[in-house]
Amino acid sequence: DSGVTQTPKHLITATGQRVTLRCSPRSGDLSVYWYQQSLDQGLQFLIHYYNGEERAKGNILERFSAQQFPDLHSELNLSSLELGDSALYFCASSARTGTGLKNTQYFGPGTRLTVL
Amino acid sequence: SQELEQSPQSLIVQEGKNLTINCTSSKTLYGLYWYKQKYGEGLIFLMMLQKGGEEKSHEKITAKLDEKKQQSSLHITASQPSHAGIYLCGADRGKLIFGQGTELSVKP
Repeated sequence: DSGVTQTPKHLITATGQRVTLRCSPRSGDLSVYWYQQSLDQGLQFLIHYYNGEERAKGNILERFSAQQFPDLHSELNLSSLELGDSALYFCASSARTGTGLKNTQYFGPGTRLTVL
Repeated sequence: SQELEQSPQSLIVQEGKNLTINCTSSKTLYGLYWYKQKYGEGLIFLMMLQKGGEEKSHEKITAKLDEKKQQSSLHITASQPSHAGIYLCGADRGKLIFGQGTELSVKP
């Protein structure tokens, strides 16, 4: 158990809908990262928040947005869902920001999103 | 092409055999992470290598970093069914960039 929690574990919805994925980082970690994993694209970085502020963006679609709240939990909002958005969504947390062993990212169990 | 290439893409070994997985980068490696993933589950951190020539071990898994070759290798000694899963290398670019993964199956 990494200490990172994600809810829900599974989500099935229809095209055009909007969903919210939730992540609680490990105790004491200030950084939260979101990733998308699909069979064709592999594991792709979406966005990084540190202590409530957006720090970096990756391959995140404009239909997707995220935020990190004062209690450090984070939510990833996916809207106008398309079939191609079906994937595993992971969040990870690290102590601070930057590189190195002390900022190792620990991953949650993921949310499997299925868009029908 | 991928910035991080892993080889092989998949591997089936007999229990007790040794195996090696490689991760090659098209750019300089400043930090390299190895994770293991059970199918459909989260990634488990194995180890991180920061310096050229660095070698780390965790139980029967050893990883090395060759900065000159921009490559890391993960070696498993005397493989067990519990080693089965997908092994992913990740490069530290301020954010993590991952390889496509190597799927390992261990036959009892």
